[in-house]
Amino acid sequence: GAGVSQSPSNKVTEKGKDVELRCDPISGHTALYWYRQSLGQGLEFLIYFQGNSAPDKSGLPSDRFSAERTGGSVSTLTIQRTQQEDSAVYLCASSPIEGGTYEQYFGPGTRLTVT
Amino acid sequence: AQKITQTQPGMFVQEKEAVTLDCTYDTSDQSYGLFWYKQPSSGEMIFLIYQGSYDEQNATEGRYSLNFQKARKSANLVISASQLGDSAMYFCAMRGSTWKLTFGTGTRLTIIP
Repeated sequence: GAGVSQSPSNKVTEKGKDVELRCDPISGHTALYWYRQSLGQGLEFLIYFQGNSAPDKSGLPSDRFSAERTGGSVSTLTIQRTQQEDSAVYLCASSPIEGGTYEQYFGPGTRLTVT
Repeated sequence: AQKITQTQPGMFVQEKEAVTLDCTYDTSDQSYGLFWYKQPSSGEMIFLIYQGSYDEQNATEGRYSLNFQKARKSANLVISASQLGDSAMYFCAMRGSTWKLTFGTGTRLTIIP
């Protein structure tokens, strides 16, 4: 079946502009996660959705970052007034929440470059 | 708070040899899960293996096995008979009472022909 998809795959933006990153999870996966990976670093948790609600937003680095999820499916991560330190790969993952290991399946990521 | 420590930034291993990638963790949760992911140069995160904190047997998946030592809080990944395609970044991660994964800083594994 289809995996997690993300768009765009690459985004170059000027400092100060707003950007929207999209994630389409695996059909039927209730949980959705956003992570950020800076160059040569591990993954940093940003936010977690269960259905359309976000019980854990603890990883959002500032109030310039927000995310929403509609219809229990697609999620959008918005970064307002982008800064150069926002440059990173933004990874989305989804997982079921019933039984099993709750393994997270990752998308290919969006590489964001802020110039 | 949860923490994952991977102390090997890089490793070089001869093809067909076994390799052990180290991972130690810290958590106050009684129930937790440990994961290993592989990230090739293409960037995708590939799930390799999972170990639950209450699992009595070490997890195995093909050439991958997880050496789980609960008292020492370690969850090392063992790759048997390494192949050139195993060259990648490897991340250890943990899920505790919250759903998010906490990742280590990774180990870059290079297989030498």
